[in-house]
Amino acid sequence: DIQMTQSPSSLSASVGDRVTITCRASQSISSYLNWYQQKPGKAPKLLIYAASSLQSGVPSRFSGSGSGTDFTLTISSLQPEDFATYYCQQSYNTLRTFGQGTKVEIK
Amino acid sequence: QVQLVQSGAEVKKPGASVKVSCKASGYTFSGYYMHWVRQAPGQGLEWMGWINPNSGGTNYAQKFQGRVTMTRDTSISTAYMELSRLRSDDTAVYYCAREVVVPAAKENWFDPWGQGTLVTVSS
Repeated sequence: DIQMTQSPSSLSASVGDRVTITCRASQSISSYLNWYQQKPGKAPKLLIYAASSLQSGVPSRFSGSGSGTDFTLTISSLQPEDFATYYCQQSYNTLRTFGQGTKVEIK
Repeated sequence: QVQLVQSGAEVKKPGASVKVSCKASGYTFSGYYMHWVRQAPGQGLEWMGWINPNSGGTNYAQKFQGRVTMTRDTSISTAYMELSRLRSDDTAVYYCAREVVVPAAKENWFDPWGQGTLVTVSS
């Protein structure tokens, strides 16, 4: 199986901060990398697909980059509604896997 | 609109089985793979497997091989996930998620997700 490792596991940030979350795959996955946001008690929501494509309706402050094994999710200016947990997921292998998640908390 | 609606919460005893349903609407059910993902309390997302609603073909994570069965009923646009020989560490919220695939662009992702079904395993 392809292992996905996110860092950090959690972070504290203030409204307006620029936030960066990284995701590393245990082998090359080309651009088969998606990012999801999950709020407490809710199902995950797709933010970014194919490493850098913004899902329709998602604010432009979210962006994704990377290919191969190293990927990044960036929130350019953190808003109150962005405090949540973020997961990366590889869709290269027929056996899908998720990162362990990054919890973004209010400083 | 595209929607996945799951069955309600379940409480089961260790050793029992549970079957969760996921009813799809707003799209052609047989045209998209359905995946199942679970989340234990306070933990991350764990992929369990998928079913091809068109053929009934399945692929399961090794961890669940022998205990999980994914089926579908195309006449009612519903997918099912059955987990047997339940243990306390199977207590989790179970989600179904439709996979969208764009082969030419090498893109595939999960959207939407069901609302989740809490399965509690307790004696």
